[in-house]
Amino acid sequence: GAGVSQTPSNKVTEKGKYVELRCDPISGHTALYWYRQSLGQGPEFLIYFQGTGAADDSGLPNDRFFAVRPEGSVSTLKIQRTERGDSAVYLCASSDHNEQFFGPGTRLTVL
Amino acid sequence: QKEVEQNSGPLSVPEGAIASLNCTYSDRGSQSFFWYRQYSGKSPELIMFIYSNGDKEDGRFTAQLNKASQYVSLLIRDSQPSDSATYLCAVEGSNDYKLSFGAGTTVTVRA
Repeated sequence: GAGVSQTPSNKVTEKGKYVELRCDPISGHTALYWYRQSLGQGPEFLIYFQGTGAADDSGLPNDRFFAVRPEGSVSTLKIQRTERGDSAVYLCASSDHNEQFFGPGTRLTVL
Repeated sequence: QKEVEQNSGPLSVPEGAIASLNCTYSDRGSQSFFWYRQYSGKSPELIMFIYSNGDKEDGRFTAQLNKASQYVSLLIRDSQPSDSATYLCAVEGSNDYKLSFGAGTTVTVRA
């Protein structure tokens, strides 16, 4: 079956701009996670959704970051006033039990 | 102290040899442990999970867990050049579902 999909695969933006990153989880998976991975590091947790609600947003670095999942399926990660330090690969994962399956990621570059 | 630590790489092994990867974690209440493989420029791919003390084998991969020592390992038998990748250890939090990752160990299998 289809895996987790993410769009765009690459996003280049200028400092101060607003970006939206989209994640389409595996069909039927109720849990959805966003992680961020910098070069040479493991993924770092950002936010976790169970259904439509954000069950844990403790990993969001500051209030410029926000995520939604209005219908319990597709999720959008939104970053306002982007900074160069936001440059990373943003990974989405979904699960129906314990095991999390990752999408291909969105590489964000802030110039 | 980092939550999840992996032995520093890179690890170079000859084709056909055993690659041994180690991981320690700090959350004594953690119950679920995962190994992901990540090829360069790609997203993490789940290859093993283990929940109980002892060994779990899946093909050429064996995961070992010792909760008393807060230690989990991955053995890759009969290493192949296609096993060359970064291996990420991930630990699920004792009170939540988010994963904490180590920085990864890069394995190179020499033909």
